[in-house]
Amino acid sequence: GAVVSQHPSWVICKSGTSVKIECRSLDFQATTMFWYRQFPKQSLMLMATSNEGSKATYEQGVEKDKFLINHASLTLSTLTVTSAHPEDSSFYICSAALGRGDNSPLHFGNGTRLTVT
Amino acid sequence: GENVEQHPSTLSVQEGDSAVIKCTYSDSASNYFPWYKQELGKRPQLIIDIRSNVGEKKDQRIAVTLNKTAKHFSLHITETQPEDSAVYFCAARITNAGKSTFGDGTTLTVKP
Repeated sequence: GAVVSQHPSWVICKSGTSVKIECRSLDFQATTMFWYRQFPKQSLMLMATSNEGSKATYEQGVEKDKFLINHASLTLSTLTVTSAHPEDSSFYICSAALGRGDNSPLHFGNGTRLTVT
Repeated sequence: GENVEQHPSTLSVQEGDSAVIKCTYSDSASNYFPWYKQELGKRPQLIIDIRSNVGEKKDQRIAVTLNKTAKHFSLHITETQPEDSAVYFCAARITNAGKSTFGDGTTLTVKP
């Protein structure tokens, strides 16, 4: 089945540094990928929609200058958390739809647990 | 935008009993409704989905029903097993936008 790979699975960084998270679709092309953030025991909150070859669409309240998204190819989207602070510590998960249609299943990466010290 | 409400937030059942989780959505344009199972520290896994042109779908012990008029859909798990214990999320897909809005999740515990 469709596989979405996310790397790294966990990262610890110091406050003020930047962290890049990669999301790859391994056996299909994804023109659109989605980045979610999940706090412990909470739901998945959509941060932004990553569009291949164009700017990402951010959800209300998400700082686009802090969470930089790049979708340079049909199989890779990256999320960079810039100048990370402890409140950015969270579980970040990417996802991609298998097909172009509205009814395509969404497949998730393994997630990245970010801890900012 | 779309708003998805999910109930209950926690559910505890005895092994072998049935479990039902309900979700409501607000945007009548939504036409795709998946259910995900997430085990602790792992990615959400799609377990079943339903499209708006279907009222019910079943896959072994799991079934989903959809009432478009009332804008609600439900997950039914029969003959529950301890390995069914996890957090379950419903979601609604907004047409054309492609993004999914998730419910707050239900923590299901199946007691042996």
